[in-house]
Amino acid sequence: EAGVAQSPRYKIIEKRQSVAFWCNPISGHATLYWYQQILGQGPKLLIQFQNNGVVDDSQLPKDRFSAERLKGVDSTLKIQPAKLEDSAVYLCASSLVPRYEQYFGPGTRLTVT
Amino acid sequence: GNSVTQMEGPVTLSEEAFLTINCTYTATGYPSLFWYVQYPGEGLQLLLKATKADDKGSNKGFEATYRKETTSFHLEKGSVQVSDSAVYFCALSDLSGGGADGLTFGKGTHLIIQP
Repeated sequence: EAGVAQSPRYKIIEKRQSVAFWCNPISGHATLYWYQQILGQGPKLLIQFQNNGVVDDSQLPKDRFSAERLKGVDSTLKIQPAKLEDSAVYLCASSLVPRYEQYFGPGTRLTVT
Repeated sequence: GNSVTQMEGPVTLSEEAFLTINCTYTATGYPSLFWYVQYPGEGLQLLLKATKADDKGSNKGFEATYRKETTSFHLEKGSVQVSDSAVYFCALSDLSGGGADGLTFGKGTHLIIQP
């Protein structure tokens, strides 16, 4: 069974530029999560989708971050414009349904200069 | 709100030593508790979990017991190996908010096992 796929693995941009990350969950997993992991900290939930609907986006900085999961499968997280403090690893996770085990992808490491 | 506090690292032990990594939590509802592990160069993996008070999660020789009275979920292993060197994260999921079950993580504990 293929795991959670994410791309790109690494991205370097300048502040005020925009960037997008892509995630393809495990086949059949209805629930998808995006987390932000700043160096030296644990991951922090940004947004949770159930199919193509948002379940929780209370910690998503909506002035600059957006996410979509239009067909209920893969998802895109966008930052526009980026700030220095957005430098982090962005993790995508999926689960069959809520309350089941979350499987994490390898992450995208973003550096904002 | 929910929060998880775990002991700071790095924690350095010799092979075959006994391991304890402390974890305490604050939650508004009735959380499930987890330990995740991140081996060098790999993604986060679930190590073990417990879904209600007094449950014991176990996997690969690691154990943790859900203690509601002390709001703790300490990770233990009787004899560590070099291959256990990794970063360990304690986490909770508060299931009282309908379908929202995003994880709240601690800061992680870097464990180093020396031969």
